[in-house]
Amino acid sequence: AQSVTQLDSQVPVFEEAPVELRCNYSSSVSVYLFWYVQYPNQGLQLLLKYLSGSTLVESINGFEAEFNKSQTSFHLRKPSVHISDTAEYFCAVSDQSGYSTLTFGKGTMLLVSP
Amino acid sequence: DGGITQSPKYLFRKEGQNVTLSCEQNLNHDAMYWYRQDPGQGLRLIYYSQIVNDFQKGDIAEGYSVSREKKESFPLTVTSAQKNPTAFYLCASSPRALPLETQYFGPGTRLLVL
Repeated sequence: AQSVTQLDSQVPVFEEAPVELRCNYSSSVSVYLFWYVQYPNQGLQLLLKYLSGSTLVESINGFEAEFNKSQTSFHLRKPSVHISDTAEYFCAVSDQSGYSTLTFGKGTMLLVSP
Repeated sequence: DGGITQSPKYLFRKEGQNVTLSCEQNLNHDAMYWYRQDPGQGLRLIYYSQIVNDFQKGDIAEGYSVSREKKESFPLTVTSAQKNPTAFYLCASSPRALPLETQYFGPGTRLLVL
């Protein structure tokens, strides 16, 4: 079984500031890692994912995440946030050797203010 | 447009009543999922289906039931045995039932108890 810890329930930042949303996972087997974003009263959308290869993965809207196996982390970063980035962000893991289910963290609310 | 539809957007349940949440997808995906979202709790898996006429319990299946008679449909029934049903319910699908596949989410149904 695996688990995901998102250490911050809320992260307030000012527009154009950098941000890091932290995600740590625990698993006895190899995992795939995902970041999803949820805008108010909507479903989740995939932001980016790590399956294999380069440990740094990027999204089309400027977010990036780095897989660190030794620290079992998959932190999400953006060098300069916009008001429109205000949303809840969920980190999730999937066991490579098991069924196709995701284990989600509790989410981090990113609040961007002018 | 291809996607996942959930209806209704809001649903009210009376004590002792069973209610059914609809989830339909036209993405031709094999796998479908139901999650429950509570504030500060992230998403928890209720049931999932890897193929038509087959489904498995997730982490919190008690008080819920599902069916998968058609590839495009995966309705969720919240039974009277579910004592705390107030939550946001999200349906998702993925092309195949593999851990590396992206899950695509519907807009959600908010269930409230009268």
